[in-house]
Amino acid sequence: SQQGEEDPQALSIQEGENATMNCSYKTSINNLQWYRQNSGRGLVHLILIRSNEREKHSGRLRVTLDTSKKSSSLLITASRAADTASYFCATDGIIQGAQKLVFGQGTRLTINP
Amino acid sequence: DADVTQTPRNRITKTGKRIMLECSQTKGHDRMYWYRQDPGLGLRLIYYSFDVKDINKGEISDGYSVSRQAQAKFSLSLESAIPNQTALYFCATRGTSGHNEQFFGPGTRLTVL
Repeated sequence: SQQGEEDPQALSIQEGENATMNCSYKTSINNLQWYRQNSGRGLVHLILIRSNEREKHSGRLRVTLDTSKKSSSLLITASRAADTASYFCATDGIIQGAQKLVFGQGTRLTINP
Repeated sequence: DADVTQTPRNRITKTGKRIMLECSQTKGHDRMYWYRQDPGLGLRLIYYSFDVKDINKGEISDGYSVSRQAQAKFSLSLESAIPNQTALYFCATRGTSGHNEQFFGPGTRLTVL
């Protein structure tokens, strides 16, 4: 499979704690993106990190990328109940001659009040 | 108004029926995509189109067909629906300059009995 793999599949933490989700992939990439999905709804883009970047921040989000290990992590600091959602990584690269996003299976994050 | 819209939002149909799911976008993007999502899984690409005259099969195109009627419209058809096509279907768009994210519609929940 060309899909990325996300770890853990599910994560439950207390409000205020930090949440870390990991993504591993197999192919060369142009960039890696993280998306959020509230239950039964469309995915919303959170952050993009280019292949030549190692770390990126956006508000309470911190993303790292290690292309040598083909892995990325998403850290959500000071979690809130509203952060409860599924989070997907997506690798952007050339597959069979075309630029495509390939999504991981997601991490279901639950923030307990 | 939403940039990417999908109709219908929910549909229940019977085995063997022909179904069309429609997607419209106001973002002016050339690239459009259809994905399906099954419980606990990530998104799998069904078809994609890079412009009106360009249609490409994705990872799981069997049993599906598409039509790109205009830059803003991309329809997905199930010629003869079967129960294992029960899933959540998403349309997405993407721009062509630089490193771009995808913008998703709200999804269509399809149930085939």
